[in-house]
Amino acid sequence: QVQLVESGGGVVQPGGSLRLSCAASGFTFSSYAFHWVRQAPGKGLEWMAVISNDEADKYYADSVKGRFSISRDNSKNNLYLQMNSLRVEDTAVYYCARVFSGVIVFSPIDYWGQGTLVTVSS
Amino acid sequence: QSVLTQPPSVSGAPGLRVTISCTGSSSNIGAGYAVHWYQQLPGTAPKLLIFLTNNRPSGVPDRFSGSKSGTSASLAITGLQAEDEADYYCQSYDSSLSEWVFGGGTKLTVL
Repeated sequence: QVQLVESGGGVVQPGGSLRLSCAASGFTFSSYAFHWVRQAPGKGLEWMAVISNDEADKYYADSVKGRFSISRDNSKNNLYLQMNSLRVEDTAVYYCARVFSGVIVFSPIDYWGQGTLVTVSS
Repeated sequence: QSVLTQPPSVSGAPGLRVTISCTGSSSNIGAGYAVHWYQQLPGTAPKLLIFLTNNRPSGVPDRFSGSKSGTSASLAITGLQAEDEADYYCQSYDSSLSEWVFGGGTKLTVL
């Protein structure tokens, strides 16, 4: 069955960096695009970034553009989110999420990981 | 402030029907971009509930349905059950922002 398992969350000081990973299994990883979506404590869902199946296309929310970088390793079935210059407001649970299929702008997210908590605090 | 506007909360008695609205604009729902709905039970990750306006993934009861008109979409839940208590989010794409966008979420309480 499809599994997405995030890791790499933790506590980091403002201005610091963190790299999140998402290990995928149960499907052909290289055939799918992926999003990172976050959820601040007690708040709603916020889209962060998306990457196409071949890494050719990457898009970011304005709130993280220039600070966060999405990447993937299709040989290892892993998705990544490099987060730099972290701010207190980046504190959230970060989910990796698989795009169903087809044109990314029209496709839903069909599977979500369980999330990893990132806390930015001094 | 979310680009897609949802009511913060709705409630209904067991067995009854509720609807959750998702109001967008001409750069997202009104532009013809797909609308999807997700259900997030307390303490869990979101789950796809409705995709492409009115399609249900396998395993989702037909008590859940979606619709769209103009710049708005709606999620309807009939025959409310206690296990439907959750947060519900709509999602689309916004061409002005070039971003994927979520509604602010609606908390459903089953009375």
